[in-house]
Amino acid sequence: DIVMTQSPDSLAVSLGERATINCKSSQSVFYSSNNKNSLAWYQQKPGQPPKVLIYWASTRESGVPDRFSGSGSGTDFTLTISSLQAEDVAVYYCQQYYNIPRTFGQGTKVEIK
Amino acid sequence: EVQLVESGGDLVQPGGSLRLSCAASGFTFSPYGMNWVRQAPGRGLEWLSYINGPSSTMYYADSVKGRFTISRDNAKNSLFLQMNSLRAEDTAVYYCATSTGHLNYWGQGTRVTVSS
Repeated sequence: DIVMTQSPDSLAVSLGERATINCKSSQSVFYSSNNKNSLAWYQQKPGQPPKVLIYWASTRESGVPDRFSGSGSGTDFTLTISSLQAEDVAVYYCQQYYNIPRTFGQGTKVEIK
Repeated sequence: EVQLVESGGDLVQPGGSLRLSCAASGFTFSPYGMNWVRQAPGRGLEWLSYINGPSSTMYYADSVKGRFTISRDNAKNSLFLQMNSLRAEDTAVYYCATSTGHLNYWGQGTRVTVSS
């Protein structure tokens, strides 16, 4: 199984400041047939289901604010919130869909400082 | 608008069975792969199972293999999860989700509690 490890487990960022979450996979999730990384980021607010923010490591889902961006390749990935807003308080998960079983990181809780 | 509505969650004794359903609307259900994902109280997300559009391919996490069975009825736009031999550690909110690789749309979840 591919193990997904996120860091940090939690972070507190001031409103308007940058938040950065890292995700490392235990093996590459680069899919050579389409030259893309099979990595997604989800946001989960309290009492709500997860919502996809980013897929193929850097493609923003329709309707997701452009302050959210994804980067990285191979085994190392980053989700960046360029200017944290109050509504961004949530837990963020990375997930690989390179192979079965699909696996998630443990989650990173983002709070306001 | 895509809607996924799970149902069937309940309180069940260890060793018991439960069948979850997921009713889909707002999109053409039959071609889409579908998944079940769960979240134990205060914990992270755990992918459980996948079924492709024609029900010719199914995958399971090791934690539920041999106990849980995924199925679908494309004529009724419905996804199911038959859960047998339930254990306390199966206590969680269970979500259904569409997938085109990543998990596109999620339902609101249904709660399963396994306890005597």
